[in-house]
Amino acid sequence: EAGVTQFPSHSVIEKGQTVTLRCDPISGHDNLYWYRRVMGKEIKFLLHFVKESKQDESGMPNNRFLAERTGGTYSTLKVQPAELEDSGVYFCASSQAQPGGANVLTFGAGSRLTVL
Amino acid sequence: AQSVTQLGSHVSVSEGALVLLRCNYSSSVPPYLFWYVQYPNQGLQLLLKYTTGATLVKGINGFEAEFKKSETSFHLTKPSAHMSDAAEYFCAVRNAGNMLTFGGGTRLMVKP
Repeated sequence: EAGVTQFPSHSVIEKGQTVTLRCDPISGHDNLYWYRRVMGKEIKFLLHFVKESKQDESGMPNNRFLAERTGGTYSTLKVQPAELEDSGVYFCASSQAQPGGANVLTFGAGSRLTVL
Repeated sequence: AQSVTQLGSHVSVSEGALVLLRCNYSSSVPPYLFWYVQYPNQGLQLLLKYTTGATLVKGINGFEAEFKKSETSFHLTKPSAHMSDAAEYFCAVRNAGNMLTFGGGTRLMVKP
C-alpha cells in the first residue's frame, strides 16, 4: 500500500510570496491531519479533516493559512503571504476511523518550507 | 490540556548499550500514548502505542515502553543499541478528539 505522499519535499520562497503544499493520504483514509514543526520546537497540530470537512482547525496559526480537501481525497495547505516565522517542516498524516480504538496516524515525510 | 515532556533533546549511547529515552505526560483523561521515530529524510514512523491493557508494550526493532500511571511516564527502552537506531524519537499523547500532542523529540546518537 502506498504511504502518505507530500509535495514538495522542500520549498524555498521569499517573504510575502505564496506557497501551496500538497498531501495525498493513504487511499480510503477519511481522516487527514496537518502538523508543523518549527525549528527547535515541538511538532504541533494544525488541523484535522474528516473526508472534506474540517473537524478541528484550532491549531491554525492565523488567516494566512488556508487548508482545503476538495472531494475528500488529497489536501492542500496554502500560506499567503508567507512570513519568516512560517519556516519549518509541515507534516501530513492520515488514518482510518477505528471504532473504539486508537486511531493510528501514518505520517508523510514532510514538506520543508524555508521563508527568506 | 495535555502535554508531553521528553527529558534530554540529545542522547548518546555506545553500540550494544541500553537505550533509555524518557517521556512524561499530563492528561486529563486516560491517555493513549505513542512513540514515533523519524529517520533522516523520512516521515514519522510508529514504533509502538499504548491504549489499554498490558502496560508493557512491545514495538518494532526491539523497542518497548512501559506505561506507569503513578509516575505519568512512558519511557522507551531497547536492551542493546544498534547503529541503525540513530534517529529522532518523539513521544506523543492523544486526546479525545484524535489530536496528538508531541514532546520536543530526542535525537539518539549511537557511537561505534
